[in-house]
Amino acid sequence: GDSVTQTEGPVTVSESESLIINCTYSATSIAYPNLFWYVRYPGEGLQLLLKVITAGQKGSSRGFEATYNKETTSFHLQKASVQESDSAVYYCALGENNYAQGLTFGLGTRVSVFP
Amino acid sequence: EAAVTQSPRNKVTVTGGNVTLSCRQTNSHNYMYWYRQDTGHGLRLIHYSYGAGNLQIGDVPDGYKATRTTQEDFFLLLELASPSQTSLYFCASRMETEVFFGKGTRLTVV
Repeated sequence: GDSVTQTEGPVTVSESESLIINCTYSATSIAYPNLFWYVRYPGEGLQLLLKVITAGQKGSSRGFEATYNKETTSFHLQKASVQESDSAVYYCALGENNYAQGLTFGLGTRVSVFP
Repeated sequence: EAAVTQSPRNKVTVTGGNVTLSCRQTNSHNYMYWYRQDTGHGLRLIHYSYGAGNLQIGDVPDGYKATRTTQEDFFLLLELASPSQTSLYFCASRMETEVFFGKGTRLTVV
């Protein structure tokens, strides 16, 4: 089946430092699945951070960006300068054309940003 | 913005107890999902539905039943709760490529 592997947390960074969370994927029935990053802030549900549905494209939101690399089957999330408010759990996910079963998620990466 | 509301937000029950988790979405999305989130496992799909009266089995359905009574309402039932079902449960609805999540229900089975 489909699978998503991402950086194992927890990850601790200082405010204004850069952050990268690695994500690689394997999709069984489609060459180019849709790719997503979701974020869960404390006490909240998961919310969409960004998505890319075309291989080779880059998505960006709230200072985060991720590029869909079909050669390396990767979708790493990066931010140049994090803030304390970026402390959250980040999930990489993929979805195939038939979304009936929803998305396949990675394990999540807990990020803590310290002032 | 699509809204998915779960209740209760927290629940404690005893082993063998009967628990119902509720989920309501307000945007008439066809697909709804129940996931559980556990450390080391990420989100795992329990059951899902593509409309009122429909139910599909997910990846970890054992010990769970679900019912979709209306387009808006999707319930997860634990008829004989066990400690292994202690988890954080998320409901979600889907419109095209975007999935909207509730805030989660933390269930503890003692």
